[in-house]
Amino acid sequence: SYELTQPPSVSVSPGQTARITCSGDALPKKYAYWYQQKSGQAPVLVIYEDSKRPSGIPERFSGSSSGTMATLTISGAQVEDEADYYCYSTDSSGNHRGVFGGGTKLTVL
Amino acid sequence: EVQLVESGGGVVRPGGSLRLSCAASGFTFDDYGMSWVRQAPGKGLEWVSGINWNGGSTGYADSVKGRFTISRDNAKNSLYLQMNSLRAEDTALYHCARGTTTDAFDIWGQGTMVTVSS
Repeated sequence: SYELTQPPSVSVSPGQTARITCSGDALPKKYAYWYQQKSGQAPVLVIYEDSKRPSGIPERFSGSSSGTMATLTISGAQVEDEADYYCYSTDSSGNHRGVFGGGTKLTVL
Repeated sequence: EVQLVESGGGVVRPGGSLRLSCAASGFTFDDYGMSWVRQAPGKGLEWVSGINWNGGSTGYADSVKGRFTISRDNAKNSLYLQMNSLRAEDTALYHCARGTTTDAFDIWGQGTMVTVSS
């Protein structure tokens, strides 16, 4: 079955740039989406279609994709950005199946 | 206010069934595909199933295919997940989300908990 691979954890100091990667064989042909989940809360969409930012999401959140890797970048990370981040995409089989990456715990301290 | 509210979760024995519901409000329900996403305690997100705007196209994760059925009633602004032959590994918080498999999930409900235990 199709898999998306993320690092389990990323740690930065406040004000630094955090980069979270997501690798998957179908990413050259399929969009990546990124979700933020804070403890005890429902996930929130922060990036869609590789690099688009929904309204209300701070400009410090950006996304990119190249080849088999998508990247979520948080420029000038804030303490309030500490959360789990999940990438999401679909396989290329045409079976309309979605898949989440395993998630990355971002620590900002 | 755009809102999704899930219901129907509970404790069920292995092999049992449950039907989850998701009530949508604040938007034109039949303009959107919908999905179910679950999260086992302490674990990551898992896409479960998706359905297009009119129910004509559905998809399932391999882990639930043949046991779960997604459906919708646009007249009632509601999404459903019929879960049969439940297993311990189906224990999770089940969220409904606005968006099909190939869209962004831009609105999420708070979830309903399903516990499969003897």
